[in-house]
Amino acid sequence: DAMVIQNPRYQVTQFGKPVTLSCSQTLNHNVMYWYQQKSSQAPKLLFHYYDKDFNNEADTPDNFQSRRPNTSFCFLDIRSPGLGDAAMYLCATSPRRGSTDTQYFGPGTRLTVL
Amino acid sequence: DQQVKQNSPSLSVQEGRISILNCDYTNSMFDYFLWYKKYPAEGPTFLISISSIKDKNEDGRFTVFLNKSAKHLSLHIVPSQPGDSAVYFCAASGRYGGSQGNLIFGKGTKLSVKP
Repeated sequence: DAMVIQNPRYQVTQFGKPVTLSCSQTLNHNVMYWYQQKSSQAPKLLFHYYDKDFNNEADTPDNFQSRRPNTSFCFLDIRSPGLGDAAMYLCATSPRRGSTDTQYFGPGTRLTVL
Repeated sequence: DQQVKQNSPSLSVQEGRISILNCDYTNSMFDYFLWYKKYPAEGPTFLISISSIKDKNEDGRFTVFLNKSAKHLSLHIVPSQPGDSAVYFCAASGRYGGSQGNLIFGKGTKLSVKP
């Protein structure tokens, strides 16, 4: 089945220790998104890739970076995690970048910062 | 400031009855609205959507109503089933400024359907 896969599902890191979250897709979609969702909050878009074109949201902290080495994979790098970065991180894909295109979400990675 | 608001964190409904989930938005430039459903330990999945040129869209047991003048939309589920128990997210998007059609989500409403 075509899908969006996120690894790991649970990640524990120490304060200030860099961490990388992974997302892969078998849908061959052009667009990949990273969202941050804190407890009882709305998912918040951090950035997205339209093919190889990186688009950062204005309020995304510099601490968050992303890489997309190929169509299938996208990584979220948190350079120096703080306690406030503990959250669920959701990856999503869509065929095109447009308001009417359905986004397909992975199961998320729950990040704990000690 | 939240552009998409779901003011009810939770809703409990009896099986077979109607569930009504509400969503308000503030940005008049939004022109497309979606509902996503999320089960525990899974990512959100697309449920139903509506364009701003319509006021109603129906798909089986699910109907979304849009009231543009009130900047309000609602999701009706009838009849409600225990398998509908999940968190429902309202989302909106539009082509304005630098939005690029990105989705703005509400905080979600947890629906519990009791047998």
